[in-house]
Amino acid sequence: GQNIDQPTEMTATEGAIVQINCTYQTSGFNGLFWYQQHAGEAPTFLSYNVLDGLEEKGRFSSFLSRSKGYSYLLLKELQMKDSASYLCAVRDSNYQLIWGAGTKLIIKP
Amino acid sequence: IAGITQAPTSQILAAGRRMTLRCTQDMRHNAMYWYRQDLGLGLRLIHYSNTAGTTGKGEVPDGYSVSRANTDDFPLTLASAVPSQTSVYFCASSDGTSGAGSDTQYFGPGTRLTVL
Repeated sequence: GQNIDQPTEMTATEGAIVQINCTYQTSGFNGLFWYQQHAGEAPTFLSYNVLDGLEEKGRFSSFLSRSKGYSYLLLKELQMKDSASYLCAVRDSNYQLIWGAGTKLIIKP
Repeated sequence: IAGITQAPTSQILAAGRRMTLRCTQDMRHNAMYWYRQDLGLGLRLIHYSNTAGTTGKGEVPDGYSVSRANTDDFPLTLASAVPSQTSVYFCASSDGTSGAGSDTQYFGPGTRLTVL
């Protein structure tokens, strides 16, 4: 079967750096997405990786290793507003997104 | 409007009743999707439509139906609601040009449905 694994919950301190990992086993690979979802709101797009390596976008970076079935989302200079769930999703061979259950990130002052 | 709208925002429904969740986008996206989100689980695809006039089944289609009469609207119907359909429902859309870039999905605000 297809599987996306990410930690259920993480805690970090305001101003610090946090890395959220995602491992996947899917039938085919056509890109990996990270979304942010604040409580009670819709998921919003953060990043997309299709080739190995690091994609940087401001305070957020996302890394992909296709050979290892692994990605991480790196958040720098954490702010209280970064408290949210972070969803990892992989596009499979049927061109459908397979979603992880999400990582709830708690930021403490 | 800009983006995707969903209606209603929330609904409490008696089991056995019929319910249609509405979804409208104004981005002229070809593809549209319906997901359900349950605590502890990832988003699960219910139905999708790659273009107006076509629909397909996702991971959890049983008990749900969709139609795509035009580009903008993609309603989801529960013919006879059951308590296990209590969930948050998200509609999403994307440009739908597979193989051309990320084809990022953009989400509506969601409908919180409770079936008693």
